[in-house]
Amino acid sequence: NAGVMQNPRHLVRRRGQEARLRCSPMKGHSHVYWYRQLPEEGLKFMVYLQKENIIDESGMPKERFSAEFPKEGPSILRIQQVVRGDSAAYFCASSPPPKGDTQYFGPGTRLTVL
Amino acid sequence: SQQGEEDPQALSIQEGENATMNCSYKTSINNLQWYRQNSGRGLVHLILIRSNEREKHSGRLRVTLDTSKKSSSLLITASRAADTASYFCAPGVDSSYKLIFGSGTRLLVRP
Repeated sequence: NAGVMQNPRHLVRRRGQEARLRCSPMKGHSHVYWYRQLPEEGLKFMVYLQKENIIDESGMPKERFSAEFPKEGPSILRIQQVVRGDSAAYFCASSPPPKGDTQYFGPGTRLTVL
Repeated sequence: SQQGEEDPQALSIQEGENATMNCSYKTSINNLQWYRQNSGRGLVHLILIRSNEREKHSGRLRVTLDTSKKSSSLLITASRAADTASYFCAPGVDSSYKLIFGSGTRLLVRP
């Protein structure tokens, strides 16, 4: 059973461009979580999704950030018009239904905004 | 969910020694999880201890939970250089899914 997959692992964007981060949960997992980690800090919760539904996006910035988890395909975290402050590591985690205690994390996508 | 605070912030030990790191939290919990993060990598789930458990073992890991003191400790015995990583605790409340991490304990195991 493959773990949580994220791609790309590294992403470089110039200010004003769009960043699209992908997350494929573990097989059989229908809950996906996105976290952001700034250097020397712990992970900060961004959003929790189930298939086709956003359950909690309380950690998402109100503007420029969006997330989806379609019926088919990976979950996408989309950042429009990126700014330097968006540079961080973005981690995806998944858990099985029903809402599980343990979240399994992917290797992360490191976004660098020039 | 609520944030756990890990202590110490950094710990440096010699290979073969034991490493102990602590986690404190503020309100009642259902469970508490420990995760490890190697530099530049994602988090790896180490162990989950439920509020009705006092101690749990997994290989060289031993976790204790004291709900009266609202604290947990993670002990790594006979440490190895490969244990060098940051360690995070995540207290869990009810069926909350939102893991809230502190800044972690950065463990360095010197060969």
